[in-house]
This record gives sequence, structure tokens and C-alpha cells, in this order.
Amino acid sequence: NAGVTQTPKFQVLKTGQSMTLQCAQDMNHEYMSWYRQDPGMGLRLIHYSVGAGITDQGEVPNGYNVSRSTTEDFPLRLLSAAPSQTSVYFCASSPGTGKREKLFFGSGTQLSVL
Amino acid sequence: GENVEQHPSTLSVQEGDSAVIKCTYSDSASNYFPWYKQELGKRPQLIIDIRSNVGEKKDQRIAVTLNKTAKHFSLHITETQPEDSAVYFCAANDYKLSFGAGTTVTVRA
Repeated sequence: NAGVTQTPKFQVLKTGQSMTLQCAQDMNHEYMSWYRQDPGMGLRLIHYSVGAGITDQGEVPNGYNVSRSTTEDFPLRLLSAAPSQTSVYFCASSPGTGKREKLFFGSGTQLSVL
Repeated sequence: GENVEQHPSTLSVQEGDSAVIKCTYSDSASNYFPWYKQELGKRPQLIIDIRSNVGEKKDQRIAVTLNKTAKHFSLHITETQPEDSAVYFCAANDYKLSFGAGTTVTVRA
């Protein structure tokens, strides 16, 4: 199993541009989520999904959209990038539907917005 | 929602000594408390977790203790080694698994 795969690893955007961060897992996990990591602030939940067709907002959802058309994929879309969205983004999945336990993280995407 | 505070933010220890990281949480309904380790430039990885019906759990050189009454839990690393140098995150599970801000541990040779 490849686990959780994220692309791209690095991305530079200009303010106002849009882009999609890709996340795929091959472990048949129902639960998938997106976190952003900023210095001194830990990991903050952006959006999550408990199964195909079901998504919900986390702690910091503004400026981001998600969809879950399949169990495997959970892309994160930045609609109009802002410098405040400069961060490291992690996708994570877990085997429990209602439990956010034993998260498996992807390798991360380092995003810079100029 | 849940609020998790983690201390200290940085910790430097001599190789072979012990390291202790403490976290407090606010929501008494939280029932699952994991610890993640993140090496420089890598992804966070689960190293140990504990449920609210257990007071202590050990796995080789690491252990976690939980005090539900005081709403705090701690990570203990004994006989520290250079490979223990990393950022450690605690978390508490309400509906969204809230993370602490992290502790950067440096093990001095």
C-alpha cells in the first residue's frame, strides 16, 4: 500500500490564483481530513469527510473547498489564494468512520502565496 | 470546542536523560488522547495513544499518563536518544481531534 499520497510537494502561487491540492489513499479509509500546520499553532483542521459524498467544516474552513466523490480521493481547493494561506498542508485518513483516531498523514504540501 | 494546551514549547535534554511533555484539555467529554511525533521535514506519525478508561500506557521507552479529574495527560520518554529529537504533538478527541501547539525536543549528545 502506498498509504496517503499528496501532490504537489511544493507550490508557489500569486495572490488571487486558484489551485487544487490532491490527496489519495489506498487503505479504504472512510475518514479523511485536511490540516494546515503553521509555526507555533500545531495542526488545525480545515475540512473533513466521513465517507464519499459527505463533507464538513473544521476549525479554519474559510477560503477552502472540498469534495469527496470517491472513498479514495479528497482534494482541497483554494478558490482565491491569499498570503495568509501560506502554510504546510497535510491530508490524513483513519479507518474509523466516526472516530478521528490513528490518523495516517500524507507527506505534506508546502504552499507559498506571494 | 476542545482547547488543548501543551508545555513546554521547547525542551533540551542530555542523551540518556528523561523528557516529559504535558498537555491540558478543556472538554471533559474527550475520551481519546494520542501523541504524534514529527521529525524535521517529515509527516506526523502516531507514537502512542490512550483512552479515558486507562490511566497509563507504556511502549518500550515511551509512556503516557492521563489524569481525567485534572484534565491533563503527559508523555514520558526515558533514556533519550538522538533519534528522539523531533516535534511532539498531543491531541484530544472531541468531534475533530484538537492538537496542541507542539514541543520541539532536542537531545544533546
